[in-house]
Amino acid sequence: IAGITQAPTSQILAAGRRMTLRCTQDMRHNAMYWYRQDLGLGLRLIHYSNTAGTTGKGEVPDGYSVSRANTDDFPLTLASAVPSQTSVYFCASSEGSSSTDTQYFGPGTRLTVL
Amino acid sequence: GQNIDQPTEMTATEGAIVQINCTYQTSGFNGLFWYQQHAGEAPTFLSYNVLDGLEEKGRFSSFLSRSKGYSYLLLKELQMKDSASYLCAVMDSNYQLIWGAGTKLIIKP
Repeated sequence: IAGITQAPTSQILAAGRRMTLRCTQDMRHNAMYWYRQDLGLGLRLIHYSNTAGTTGKGEVPDGYSVSRANTDDFPLTLASAVPSQTSVYFCASSEGSSSTDTQYFGPGTRLTVL
Repeated sequence: GQNIDQPTEMTATEGAIVQINCTYQTSGFNGLFWYQQHAGEAPTFLSYNVLDGLEEKGRFSSFLSRSKGYSYLLLKELQMKDSASYLCAVMDSNYQLIWGAGTKLIIKP
């Protein structure tokens, strides 16, 4: 069982380019999340999905979009990358979205936008 | 606004005990989580507190006081492998996690 996988592991991207970060989980979790982690700051929620077919905006959604066509996959798209989107991106999942549902994290994608 | 405060960095000696504090101000409270994150890796779950008091899990314990907006993570019998960042996160009234910036723990022999 792999848990959560993310691709690519790292990427250098020219500003203005479109990029999709992939996230797949095999735990049949209902809820999935995208966070960014920047030095000196806590993890910040970009978008989330409580169940397949639904998505919601987190704390920092601007410049990002997501889709949740099925339970397993939750891709994050940067329509036109900017240098401020340089960050480490973590995908996470939890069985549900209640207070007792622990979030499990993927290995992360390191994105550099030049 | 919502705020989670924890020390930026702490140093401790192998075999000793260390306490990492976390204070929070959030819109609502639905539980507090502690995660461990080794450099270059993903956060991994350590503990969850929703009621006041101490939760013990092996060498790690976590305490919560909701009235004080305060939690701590206690690590006993420190090992070199405990060198990592420790992240405090609070689930707010919207059931979203609000994260602290993390405490980098350095263990010296």
